[in-house]
Amino acid sequence: DAGVTQSPTHLIKTRGQQVTLRCSPKSGHDTVSWYQQALGQGPQFIFQYYEEEERQRGNFPDRFSGHQFPNYSSELNVNALLLGDSALYLCASSFGLEGSYEQYFGPGTRLTVT
Amino acid sequence: GQQVMQIPQYQHVQEGEDFTTYCNSSTTLSNIQWYKQRPGGHPVFLIQLVKSGEVKKQKRLTFQFGEAKKNSSLHITATQTTDVGTYFCAGGGKLIFGQGTELSVKP
Repeated sequence: DAGVTQSPTHLIKTRGQQVTLRCSPKSGHDTVSWYQQALGQGPQFIFQYYEEEERQRGNFPDRFSGHQFPNYSSELNVNALLLGDSALYLCASSFGLEGSYEQYFGPGTRLTVT
Repeated sequence: GQQVMQIPQYQHVQEGEDFTTYCNSSTTLSNIQWYKQRPGGHPVFLIQLVKSGEVKKQKRLTFQFGEAKKNSSLHITATQTTDVGTYFCAGGGKLIFGQGTELSVKP
């Protein structure tokens, strides 16, 4: 039973560029949430996808967008990259929309913006 | 907006000593979850508390949820080197994480 997988593992981009990160949820899970974790900080909620729709969003600008596919996998897109976007991007999957379900986190994608 | 604060930020203990981290929310939480993140790793779910005043134990770990459902604590008895990592509490529908408490254990 595969857990949550993310790709790529590491990514280096230049300021102003665009990036797409990918996530496959744990088998049986239908909800995907994305988090940004800066060094030494806790994960910050970006948004959550369920039934191919963005259901909740954290305090992130419109440069951050996402998508969920019929197979429940998801993408996170960030446009016009800023140096401050450098962070570990974590995908977490769960079952159902309720916030009371445990989140299974993937290994993350380390994004460096130069 | 909702905020979740954790103290202390860092805790260094000798192996065998006890450890406690505290979590406080600015608003009442429907539930609280605890995660552990090892250095270089990703958060791993430990437990969820739902009821006011709830206490749950996992071997040497004891988790409490406050009566007002605005605070929580994690206590580790007789720490071991395998306990090293950062412990996060998280609550709310959007799963707001605290800043975490980084635990280091000296053998």
